[in-house]
Amino acid sequence: AQKVTQAQTEISVVEKEDVTLDCVYETRDTTYYLFWYKQPPSGELVFLIRRNSFDEQNEISGRYSWNFQKSTSSFNFTITASQVVDSAVYFCALKDRGAQKLVFGQGTRLTINP
Amino acid sequence: DTAVSQTPKYLVTQMGNDKSIKCEQNLGHDTMYWYKQDSKKFLKIMFSYNNKELIINETVPNRFSPKSPDKAHLNLHINSLELGDSAVYFCASSSDRHTEAFFGQGTRLTVV
Repeated sequence: AQKVTQAQTEISVVEKEDVTLDCVYETRDTTYYLFWYKQPPSGELVFLIRRNSFDEQNEISGRYSWNFQKSTSSFNFTITASQVVDSAVYFCALKDRGAQKLVFGQGTRLTINP
Repeated sequence: DTAVSQTPKYLVTQMGNDKSIKCEQNLGHDTMYWYKQDSKKFLKIMFSYNNKELIINETVPNRFSPKSPDKAHLNLHINSLELGDSAVYFCASSSDRHTEAFFGQGTRLTVV
């Protein structure tokens, strides 16, 4: 069965601090896809990144970086030099190769204080 | 030029009523979805359609009926609304089942 766990329910940091959001997943499939989405206070869901199970390269996009480690079934997300605009709920999600649906984690509410 | 658009954005209605939420995507995607986000922010799949064909019906009460008149549209009709149906409903689409889904802005349904 597929499962995604985001153990951090809420994180609060001061602006310019670095922050890492944890994501641990479970799947029996050998081919799968991992995602991160951002839900700002306005409510929409914004796609951030997709990672395929056969590509363990870490990714950096500006202040955002993602660390994918199959050995620990983790796909963590780090924001460097956080800004108030980064305040949002962040969701990690998993899709097995054979599945037609995203399975989401519980979300982590990130608050960046000025 | 919104990619996935839902209407209405807000819906307040009384118990027992029937309501519909419309969704359209202009991305040329083959697969569309309905997700429900509850008050604790938990997101769960309800339905998935591929080329107008129902692929997933995730144990949703049959008061909920999706309809896909064409690949670009997936509407959600809800009969006999109950208090527990209050949630945010998101429509989404993806080019195929392996790729990321793009979401509409959500419809906040409040049943009173």
